[in-house]
Amino acid sequence: NAGVMQNPRHLVRRRGQEARLRCSPMKGHSHVYWYRQLPEEGLKFMVYLQKENIIDESGMPKERFSAEFPKEGPSILRIQQVVRGDSAAYFCASSAFGTGLSDTQYFGPGTRLTVL
Amino acid sequence: TQLLEQSPQFLSIQEGENLTVYCNSSSVFSSLQWYRQEPGEGPVLLVTVVTGGEVKKLKRLTFQFGDARKDSSLHITAAQTGDTGLYLCAGARGSQGNLIFGKGTKLSVKP
Repeated sequence: NAGVMQNPRHLVRRRGQEARLRCSPMKGHSHVYWYRQLPEEGLKFMVYLQKENIIDESGMPKERFSAEFPKEGPSILRIQQVVRGDSAAYFCASSAFGTGLSDTQYFGPGTRLTVL
Repeated sequence: TQLLEQSPQFLSIQEGENLTVYCNSSSVFSSLQWYRQEPGEGPVLLVTVVTGGEVKKLKRLTFQFGDARKDSSLHITAAQTGDTGLYLCAGARGSQGNLIFGKGTKLSVKP
C-alpha cells in the first residue's frame, strides 16, 4: 500500500498528557501537511513541512502544538498537555511538489484523538 | 467567515436522481480539488481543476470550474447508494501550500 499512513488511528488521552501523532507520506512525496477536523466543521490547515523544515505553521496554535518532519522517519504532530478542546480528527496529507498549480494533496485515514 | 461556501449543506435523494452541489467563494483560487469523505476515513481525491471554465467528467460525475476561478460545481447523474458521503471542495491559492476547505455537502442516496 503506497498511500499516506497515519498511526495510531485512535488515541485516547487524559487531560494534561501528551499526544504524538505519526504520518508517513506516500512514497516519493517530500511535502507533508497537517489538518484538523472538528465535528461539523471543515478541515483546517495547521502546518506544512518539508524534510527537516517547517514551511508554513500559520494554522498551528501558538502553545502546546509542535510538528517535525525529520530526515528519516515519519512526520510527528505533538500536542503537549492536552485539553478537551483538542479532541478532533487529525489528518495528514502529502504531495510531490509542494506549491504549484497542479500539485495534489493525498490524505491519510486520520487519527481520532479523544481527550478525557 | 468561511472562505469557501458549499451548498446545500445536506442533501437526501432517491437512487437514480440527479443532483448538483456547489462550492462558491469571493476569492480566486489557482486550483480547486473535490474530495469525498466517508465516516471514520480521510478525504479521497476525486478531481483537481486548474483552468477557468474547465469541465472534467469522471463516469457519472461532472466537475466544473468557474470562468473566474472563484466557484465550482459537482453534478452527479443517476445517483447510486454508493455515492453517499461527505463531498468537500478545497482551494489552493498561488504560492501557498495549504488547502482551504469548505464545510462540505453531506449526501445521502436512498435505495
